[in-house]
Amino acid sequence: GAGVSQSPSNKVTEKGKDVELRCDPISGHTALYWYRQRLGQGLEFLIYFQGNSAPDKSGLPSDRFSAERTGESVSTLTIQRTQQEDSAVYLCASSLSITGELFFGEGSRLTVL
Amino acid sequence: TQLLEQSPQFLSIQEGENLTVYCNSSSVFSSLQWYRQEPGEGPVLLVTVVTGGEVKKLKRLTFQFGDARKDSSLHITAAQPGDTGLYLCAGAGSSYKLIFGSGTRLLVRP
Repeated sequence: GAGVSQSPSNKVTEKGKDVELRCDPISGHTALYWYRQRLGQGLEFLIYFQGNSAPDKSGLPSDRFSAERTGESVSTLTIQRTQQEDSAVYLCASSLSITGELFFGEGSRLTVL
Repeated sequence: TQLLEQSPQFLSIQEGENLTVYCNSSSVFSSLQWYRQEPGEGPVLLVTVVTGGEVKKLKRLTFQFGDARKDSSLHITAAQPGDTGLYLCAGAGSSYKLIFGSGTRLLVRP
């Protein structure tokens, strides 16, 4: 596709379960970002990738959160032992360069019951 | 830690009115971007400013980057209901990651 694709678009899970969120960036975009957006709030930086490397993981809220990127393409954000406070929309964005325009996906809405 | 503060957090105005949204930081940014987000969608880039003092116009929207590259403003003239949305500023700092402000939610009433 032409844009950033995220899946699933909606995920409802029970507290304590693990979830995986997937992001397919625009082909050729070397930079990939993950953000979290709580209801009515701005974007909270989680992690970014330059190629397959993550120079800055400082935004990950806890060790329950991890992310990887392979083939300078698809990225997966994994949340282990989900908690209710993890409920949010997780947005992925890709860019041709680190400080270039970000192209966002529509997000994955996570609800932890 | 680089932080971006936006004000106001929420703005409700009548169609035809003018408004200004502010984005402030104590840190210097190499560039600053403004995005607009509509419900259920990801943010979409409006403009990027890179030079201190730079002013860019996009139809009824005017963006300014502060001389010291620590702050920015977005001015909308004669607001329309289609301008309704969440406006986000984002700064690129020394670590190159883009940090977003908390956003300004704008409602333009017909």
